[in-house]
Formats: sequence, structure tokens, C-alpha cells
Amino acid sequence: AQTVTQSQPEMSVQEAETVTLSCTYDTSESNYYLFWYKQPPSRQMILVIRQEAYKQQNATENRFSVNFQKAAKSFSLKISDSQLGDTAMYFCAFMATTGTASKLTFGTGTRLQVTL
Amino acid sequence: GAVVSQHPSRVICKSGTSVKIECRSLDFQATTMFWYRQFPKQSLMLMATSNEGSKATYEQGVEKDKFLINHASLTLSTLTVTSAHPEDSSFYICSASHVSDDEAFFGQGTRLTVV
Repeated sequence: AQTVTQSQPEMSVQEAETVTLSCTYDTSESNYYLFWYKQPPSRQMILVIRQEAYKQQNATENRFSVNFQKAAKSFSLKISDSQLGDTAMYFCAFMATTGTASKLTFGTGTRLQVTL
Repeated sequence: GAVVSQHPSRVICKSGTSVKIECRSLDFQATTMFWYRQFPKQSLMLMATSNEGSKATYEQGVEKDKFLINHASLTLSTLTVTSAHPEDSSFYICSASHVSDDEAFFGQGTRLTVV
């Protein structure tokens, strides 16, 4: 079974600053995907960024980037130039790739507050 | 990305009644749908996985007779909470995936309140 750990229940960052959210995972799978999801107050789950485990290059999406350390089983999310709209719960998630659609295992989440 | 519509967004029901939640994939065929439950300020906990045309696979500790899941077509899965009790009050979220796609697309969620 897979486990996903987010050790930061809450984080705060000032607008325009950079913040890094931590995530570690444990798995015996060799092929898998890692995701960061954002859940704003509306509670709609929004995909922020994804990383395929076989890719060494860290994924980036505009102001969002990851630091994927496969050997250490670490997958942190860096948000640059933080904006008020980034205020949300952020969930790290793991998905094993088995050739068919597979379930997501979520971490406990980090509540990010962006302040003026 | 693909669109998943979940309905209703909010529902209040009386204790002892049943309530049905629908999850529809609007622009793709969802071979697999997942149902999650989320308690306040907590993470999403997988309840069950449903594949079109077959019985759902429930996670340990989830009562299959209480949470009935039907996935009769490639675009629709339903979750029926039977004989609802106040402790069933929660936020329920569905997600849908296509067999060739490793990305899950989420519905808007349903806030269920049992009074």
C-alpha cells in the first residue's frame, strides 16, 4: 500500500513571495504519477501539477514547480510570486500506473494562506 | 481538461431516508469512477471504485449495503446513501478517469446533511 505524508498542516506566505510545500511518499511501485491538487473554499479539486516518476526533469506550470527526488521519495511544490488566489488547501497525491485507471492516495493536506 | 458534473451540490435529507448523488462525465467516456468522502478540514478518503458494467470495489470499512454504487453507463455513476443517519453527513466527491488516461477529473462535490 502507498502512503503520502504532508507534514505541514498550515503555511502562510506574503503576496509575491515564494513558498514550498512538502510531501513525502512511500511505495514499492516503480512506475507511478505524483500530483498536487488545490482545493479552494469552493471545494472543487483543481489539478495544479503532475509528475511522472520515470521523468527526471522536474515538472513546471507557470508559477508552480516541483522538486522531485525519487530516491528520497520526496515531492515538494514551490509556488513563486504567490497570489491571494493561491489561498487554498493543497493535497499531494500518488497514483500507481498499472495500465488502467488507478486510484489516488492523498496526503492530509496543507492549508496555505496568502496574506497582503 | 475533461468535465465531470456532480449533482446535487447540496442536499438535506431526513434521517432514515435515502439520497442519490450523480456523477457524470460530460465530454469523455469514464471507464472508471471513484467516490471519495471528505470530513471537514480533512483529506479525501476513497470509498469505492466503480467500473462500468461491473460491481464496485469498496475500500475496507465502507459498508457496501449502505453506500450503493451503480455505474450503468460510461458517462454516469451514482452513489446512493441508504437509510441515512446524521453521521453520514459529509462532503462526497466523485472523480472519473478514462482507461487510457492516468489523470482523474473531479466533480464539484456534494454536501450531504442528514437531519
